[in-house]
Amino acid sequence: DAKTTQPTSMDCAEGRAANLPCNHSTISGNEYVYWYRQIHSQGPQYIIHGLKNNETNEMASLIITEDRKSSTLILPHATLRDTAVYYCIVRVATRTEEVATSGSRLTFGEGTQLTVNP
Amino acid sequence: SQTIHQWPATLVQPVGSPLSLECTVEGTSNPNLYWYRQAAGRGLQLLFYSVGIGQISSEVPQNLSASRPQDRQFILSSKKLLLSDSGFYLCAWRGSMGYGYTFGSGTRLTVV
Repeated sequence: DAKTTQPTSMDCAEGRAANLPCNHSTISGNEYVYWYRQIHSQGPQYIIHGLKNNETNEMASLIITEDRKSSTLILPHATLRDTAVYYCIVRVATRTEEVATSGSRLTFGEGTQLTVNP
Repeated sequence: SQTIHQWPATLVQPVGSPLSLECTVEGTSNPNLYWYRQAAGRGLQLLFYSVGIGQISSEVPQNLSASRPQDRQFILSSKKLLLSDSGFYLCAWRGSMGYGYTFGSGTRLTVV
């Protein structure tokens, strides 16, 4: 799997947009970018994923650069409840591909601690 | 809908005692199943994964073992716990439709 690098921590004011960057310069053509977040003492929660087009859902937007070497997760109006560790990972799209590529090494890095301040 | 159950939520065990953590998935068949540990710091370390009944792959040499006796059941075990086994253990699954991984709520294990 491609490695990802993220800033250790970020702060954001409540109501403002939070923009969380992620670098994945070694991403392969069949790998998607996934974003998860983990609120303290809970399991990680899926946020969004994308291949090369920008994506938006009810939680966030994902902007992927044209060369796919980096991406940005955008929380448009951050709230206090968005305070969490945000993980960016890259992964092949489907379970079948994962099995075929022996893609066992799904290890989350340190992620970015986002703190939303009142 | 698919759900994942992991229990217990917290566990305090003495050194040298056995361990059994169970994870079950509902609403899907033949999922990939995973056990992660989150110790000091934030990163999640993959411990075991399974692509089918009886098929277990270990990522890190350790005092733990895993088993998959049924399609939607994944068990993490130890015969004798060490202090270093303390941590936050998470079970996760990935279904046939791929895409995201779904995590359980985790078990906080403290070995004393």
